[in-house]
Amino acid sequence: GESVGLHLPTLSVQEGDNSIINCAYSNSASDYFIWYKQESGKGPQFIIDIRSNMDKRQGQRVTVLLNKTVKHLSLQIAATQPGDSAVYFCAVKGPAFSSGSARQLTFGSGTQLTVLP
Amino acid sequence: SQTIHQWPATLVQPVGSPLSLECTVEGTSNPNLYWYRQAAGRGLQLLFYSVGIGQISSEVPQNLSASRPQDRQFILSSKKLLLSDSGFYLCAWSLGSPGGQETQYFGPGTRLLVL
Repeated sequence: GESVGLHLPTLSVQEGDNSIINCAYSNSASDYFIWYKQESGKGPQFIIDIRSNMDKRQGQRVTVLLNKTVKHLSLQIAATQPGDSAVYFCAVKGPAFSSGSARQLTFGSGTQLTVLP
Repeated sequence: SQTIHQWPATLVQPVGSPLSLECTVEGTSNPNLYWYRQAAGRGLQLLFYSVGIGQISSEVPQNLSASRPQDRQFILSSKKLLLSDSGFYLCAWSLGSPGGQETQYFGPGTRLLVL
């Protein structure tokens, strides 16, 4: 099955700086990737997604980069703000040829982002 | 627009008592529905998912069960709670796509404490 790991459990950045959160996955055939933001006591909130036929996708202040060669996914947040403080999860979907549980999302353990004033 | 509700928001139950958590989705039809559990400081563990009424797939052997009595209603139950059932329970929905690359959207969660 799929395994997903985040490189750093915690990350502190100064307000206004850019943040980069990383994620590694194990199955080279995985084809869909999502980043979620979870504030304390709340459910995860969708940020941005990317399919395996893309290398980069941009949203409002966020960019997701996918490197399929090394099975690495990153989330970049530009001009980090205090409201960005939260836990960030990557989620990876199993290959299209799989079924059942193997086709479901596997979540990383999360990176706690703290924005310093 | 679609919304997802969970209740109760918090629950404190004694060991051995029954459990019923409810999740409902509004604004969509025939969604895929999911139950996850999140332990403190950890990622999300998929417990059950459903692609239609009465269709439940279980991912983890446990003393929990799930049911989908209506298209947009998903219920998580237990006959006898264990201490290890404590956690943050999240319901999610998605719309199936031909390629299976669909986003899951989460509810606000239920925090369960078993004492």
